Amino acid sequence: EDQVTQSPEALRLQEGESSSLNCSYTVSGLRGLFWYRQDPGKGPEFLFTLYSAGEEKEKERLKATLTKKESFLHITAPKPEDSATYLCAVQPHSSDSWGKLQFGAGTQVVVTP
Amino acid sequence: GAVVSQHPSRVICKSGTSVKIECRSLDFQATTMFWYRQFPKQSLMLMATSNEGSKATYEQGVEKDKFLINHASLTLSTLTVTSAHPEDSSFYICSARVLGEGYNEQFFGPGTRLTVL
Repeated sequence: EDQVTQSPEALRLQEGESSSLNCSYTVSGLRGLFWYRQDPGKGPEFLFTLYSAGEEKEKERLKATLTKKESFLHITAPKPEDSATYLCAVQPHSSDSWGKLQFGAGTQVVVTP
Repeated sequence: GAVVSQHPSRVICKSGTSVKIECRSLDFQATTMFWYRQFPKQSLMLMATSNEGSKATYEQGVEKDKFLINHASLTLSTLTVTSAHPEDSSFYICSARVLGEGYNEQFFGPGTRLTVL
């Protein structure tokens, strides 16, 4: 059975204190791994799709990496506006052709000034 | 990135009424859209896959007669919650898939907060 596990559940950072979020997955072949940011009361905002082990993508203070078993979202020198819940989702090869995503529970990040 | 809108953003209704939520892809065509619901402090739960011109595919445990989905055009999918009850109160979010050579992305709408009294 496909599984997505995110850790930690919550993370409290001082402004400027870099850290990493983990997304470990068990899937029968990976078509894509997705990272999203979600603010309270809003829909998820697309950040990255990673397709193969060794791939890295960056956007501002965020950098996502992928191995065969897990993905990391690195937040460098975070600012208070980076406070959000970060969601990881996988799209297995076994999923139907429509491309369903399976989400992890998310990591809630709070960055204090 | 691609923009997906939802309407309404918030709805309050009485128990037993039906509520329709619209999901639109604003600057692209989406043959496939997805409907999720999210309870407080929980992650997204996929309800159904909506395909333009064909019947929706529902996830296990989701009542298709309760949650009617119509994908009548390449830019519009609707979710109708029929005979809503307080336990249907939730945050409903749609997404649209953008697929091309070398990329595979899925963009979400802003969500609709449904409260059933």
